[in-house]
Amino acid sequence: SQTIHQWPATLVQPVGSPLSLECTVEGTSNPNLYWYRQAAGRGLQLLFYSVGIGQISSEVPQNLSASRPQDRQFILSSKKLLLSDSGFYLCAWDRGRPDTQYFGPGTRLTVL
Amino acid sequence: AQSVAQPEDQVNVAEGNPLTVKCTYSVSGNPYLFWYVQYPNRGLQFLLKYITGDNLVKGSYGFEAEFNKSQTSFHLKKPSALVSDSALYFCAVSPQGSSASKIIFGSGTRLSIRP
Repeated sequence: SQTIHQWPATLVQPVGSPLSLECTVEGTSNPNLYWYRQAAGRGLQLLFYSVGIGQISSEVPQNLSASRPQDRQFILSSKKLLLSDSGFYLCAWDRGRPDTQYFGPGTRLTVL
Repeated sequence: AQSVAQPEDQVNVAEGNPLTVKCTYSVSGNPYLFWYVQYPNRGLQFLLKYITGDNLVKGSYGFEAEFNKSQTSFHLKKPSALVSDSALYFCAVSPQGSSASKIIFGSGTRLSIRP
């Protein structure tokens, strides 16, 4: 069976510090991978998605970037965090259209 | 523009009563429809999906959803609510033929089941 991991689970960072969140998927190959942000326990905002190694699509302009160095690894980064980057970050995967997206446990990021 | 609407921010139901969480959509073609549930500080969990076939879809934890093409709705239902059903519920739609990224999520409905 497939599993998806995210770490860290929680993170408190000062404004202006760098960020690296990691997501890995086990039990499948060549998944589509997604990063979402959820603010205030409500709707999801798609940040990035990837259909293969090194292929990243950005949905919204922002202070964040994403990379996919390996088939089942997806990294969300920032060089300098802003207060507005606080939120709950969710990674998800699917096998491609049409398919269900499966979500990781999430990372709670607080920028102070 | 393609969209998903969950018209109720919160739904309150007494334990043992039936529950309905509403979802309507506006997309072109025949969409794929999903329901997810989220417990506090957790990721979203898949409940059920409709792609084609029988309009009544059964999913996890006794939930079901009815696809109504004429009303462009996909309401989530359960015959008898449990306190443990209290959570945040998301409806999502994936337009047919869309690219990998184009799953549209609703804003979420908070379901509260009182004992």
